[in-house]
Amino acid sequence: AQSVAQPEDQVNVAEGNPLTVKCTYSVSGNPYLFWYVQYPNRGLQFLLKYITGDNLVKGSYGFEAEFNKSQTSFHLKKPSALVSDSALYFCAVSMDTGRRALTFGSGTRLQVQP
Amino acid sequence: NAGVMQNPRHLVRRRGQEARLRCSPMKGHSHVYWYRQLPEEGLKFMVYLQKENIIDESGMPKERFSAEFPKEGPSILRIQQVVRGDSAAYFCASSPPGQGKVIQYFGAGTRLSVL
Repeated sequence: AQSVAQPEDQVNVAEGNPLTVKCTYSVSGNPYLFWYVQYPNRGLQFLLKYITGDNLVKGSYGFEAEFNKSQTSFHLKKPSALVSDSALYFCAVSMDTGRRALTFGSGTRLQVQP
Repeated sequence: NAGVMQNPRHLVRRRGQEARLRCSPMKGHSHVYWYRQLPEEGLKFMVYLQKENIIDESGMPKERFSAEFPKEGPSILRIQQVVRGDSAAYFCASSPPGQGKVIQYFGAGTRLSVL
């Protein structure tokens, strides 16, 4: 079985400061890891993914994430937060076995204050 | 290239009625997934379909829920005899064929309210 944990329900950060949204995962094989963002009453928008290769992956809107196999983590980061980054962020995992179902974390609400 | 289209956006049903949710995948995408999101929770996988085939239905409730993706037309998630606990947002996602094509692109969802 696979699972994802997002330990923070909410993260507050001031505009211009760096932000981190945490994610840890548990799978029995090689993970495929994803970050999605959800704005109110909207679907999920894909931000970035890790499949293989470099541990640091860059995605949309200046976001990046670092895959850490030993800590089973995939934290989302951005060097300088914008008020418009305020949204609900979801980490998700699937497996390289071909089973495509995504397992999502419970989400972290990011609030960027002006 | 239009995104994943879901309709209706909002659906209100009374207990005992049937709900039909439609999803048209992105052009060129032959894989469709359905997820359910309860208020303030993450998405939970329900079913994965390819054209005319159910590939993985491990997340589908055993009763009242069914899904199809016919050769022609949209994918349909059908909920029979709805109950209040079925109230949720239902999201459809699609992905293209191919071994490495793992990104799922989501629609805006259908919000089902059961009175």
